[in-house]
Amino acid sequence: DAGVIQSPRHEVTEMGQEVTLRCKPISGHNSLFWYRQTMMRGLELLIYFNNNVPIDDSGMPEDRFSAKMPNASFSTLKIQPSEPRDSAVYFCASRLQGSNTEAFFGQGTRLTVV
Amino acid sequence: AQRVTQPEKLLSVFKGAPVELKCNYSYSGSPELFWYVQYSRQRLQLLLRHISRESIKGFTADLNKGETSFHLKKPFAQEEDSAMYYCAPLLYNTDKLIFGTGTRLQVFP
Repeated sequence: DAGVIQSPRHEVTEMGQEVTLRCKPISGHNSLFWYRQTMMRGLELLIYFNNNVPIDDSGMPEDRFSAKMPNASFSTLKIQPSEPRDSAVYFCASRLQGSNTEAFFGQGTRLTVV
Repeated sequence: AQRVTQPEKLLSVFKGAPVELKCNYSYSGSPELFWYVQYSRQRLQLLLRHISRESIKGFTADLNKGETSFHLKKPFAQEEDSAMYYCAPLLYNTDKLIFGTGTRLQVFP
């Protein structure tokens, strides 16, 4: 397996535009996480899914953020409209639910909103 | 509320010095505890997990339930240890993996 795959690796967009980040988890993993990494706040959990169902989205900062997982092999994080303060690295991770199983991370998407 | 605290944003040491990266957690119940590492320009990866009681790259972490701490230690730091380190508790009966704010370790030659 190629691991967790995220696209794009880099995204530069203008304020007000819609941004869609994509994630393909490791095959067989049934939990998927979206994180945002910034210097000030570290690694924040935005939302996580279990068996394609959103379990906890309390970390989603605003209604401008939404996430979907239409099937076990694909998830999206959408920001509409984007703002400069959304600039960060967004990570997707997946794991097999259960004790003592590690989460595997994607390479991240570096988002810059100008 | 579930919370994990890494009090130091930056820890700078010289090669060969001992290192301790602090992690305190506030959880109801007994969490599983992990340390993740992010080397420059690489993805986060698991360094070690409490339940395995292992030593990875010379690092160990001891769970202190009384102090609710899971500090990461290494007796002699190496330059290649320079990275971001994240403490991550996972509550056993949930799937919510929360990370601390991270500590950047800089090891100077």
